[in-house]
Amino acid sequence: AQSVTQLDSQVPVFEEAPVELRCNYSSSVSVYLFWYVQYPNQGLQLLLKYLSGSTLVKGINGFEAEFNKSQTSFHLRKPSVHISDTAEYFCAVSYNQGGKLIFGQGTELSVKP
Amino acid sequence: GAVVSQHPSRVICKSGTSVKIECRSLDFQATTMFWYRQFPKQSLMLMATSNEGSKATYEQGVEKDKFLINHASLTLSTLTVTSAHPEDSSFYICSARGRGGSPYNEQFFGPGTRLTVL
Repeated sequence: AQSVTQLDSQVPVFEEAPVELRCNYSSSVSVYLFWYVQYPNQGLQLLLKYLSGSTLVKGINGFEAEFNKSQTSFHLRKPSVHISDTAEYFCAVSYNQGGKLIFGQGTELSVKP
Repeated sequence: GAVVSQHPSRVICKSGTSVKIECRSLDFQATTMFWYRQFPKQSLMLMATSNEGSKATYEQGVEKDKFLINHASLTLSTLTVTSAHPEDSSFYICSARGRGGSPYNEQFFGPGTRLTVL
């Protein structure tokens, strides 16, 4: 069965610092991987996705993630965060594109001035 | 493109009443819609998957008589919370997916509906 673990529930960082949000997944078959951002009282916005091909995926708002099959990880990174990046971030996996998504528990990123 | 709307954005109702939430795909045809529930400070939990013109598939532990889902057209799905109680208070989010092979063959999320049952 698929599962997703986001290792940090909260990540406080200062503005302009780099950040990494960790995501590990468990699956015996190939999966598709996603990162979503959720601002307070809003729905989810897709940051980036890995379907196949290059393991380094670039997304919106300067975020990127690297798929590591041997470590079953898909960590999200940004070299310099802004106050506006403060939000909840969810990692998700799916067996197929557009199929059922299994979400991690979420990581609250808090960017301080 | 790929905009999904939900209505209403917030609803407050009395215990025992029923509430209907609409999910619309505005600029593409959604062959599949998903309904999620999110409790405060928690992740999204899939409640059910609905395909246009057929019955919804509910996840284990979700009462299908409590949460009625109708996907009557390629742009509209509704979730009706019947005889709502305070424990049904939550943030309900829908997502919509277009046809396979199209640019819309992924889940696009709505803005969510905050339900408060008094």
